[in-house]
Amino acid sequence: KAGVTQTPRYLIKTRGQQVTLSCSPISGHRSVSWYQQTPGQGLQFLFEYFSETQRNKGNFPGRFSGRQFSNSRSEMNVSTLELGDSALYLCASRSIDTQYFGPGTRLTVL
Amino acid sequence: GENVEQHPSTLSVQEGDSAVIKCTYSDSASNYFPWYKQELGKRPQLIIDIRSNVGEKKDQRIAVTLNKTAKHFSLHITETQPEDSAVYFCAASRGSGGSNYKLTFGKGTLLTVNP
Repeated sequence: KAGVTQTPRYLIKTRGQQVTLSCSPISGHRSVSWYQQTPGQGLQFLFEYFSETQRNKGNFPGRFSGRQFSNSRSEMNVSTLELGDSALYLCASRSIDTQYFGPGTRLTVL
Repeated sequence: GENVEQHPSTLSVQEGDSAVIKCTYSDSASNYFPWYKQELGKRPQLIIDIRSNVGEKKDQRIAVTLNKTAKHFSLHITETQPEDSAVYFCAASRGSGGSNYKLTFGKGTLLTVNP
């Protein structure tokens, strides 16, 4: 099976802009979670989607949102970008307990 | 919510030695505990996991132990090799496989194995 894929791999944006990241889970996986990884805060949970519904949410402001499509692909959107949003954004798809990560999207906000 | 503490933050060992990384968790309802290895510039990869109905699990040179009473779990790597050098993350979640599943990660341990 193909692994979790994410596009784009790298993004450079300026403050105030918005960005959309995409994640394609492993075939057959219906759960997709998103994480933000930074050197200072480590891996922080953003939200989880299952069958097109947000099932869990972490402690991030409303500027961070997501959605999931009927084919389980997921998108994450960040509006009004801030410098502190610079991070590696990882998505992961899950089968029962085992969670598999994608390669991440490296977002740099200037 | 769940809080996971991981120690040490950095660990340097000689090739062939053992390495131990420890984590504690706060939510007594957590029942799933995976460990991930992340090499520089790569995605986190699951190396071993344990569920709360098991006290110990081993896979070749890697083992994980769980003490539910004390709410801590540990990763043990024996006969370390230079390719074991990476950042290791522990995590905890309740609701194994269900809708309450939400992984909370420790801050990571940078393991360096010196040849």
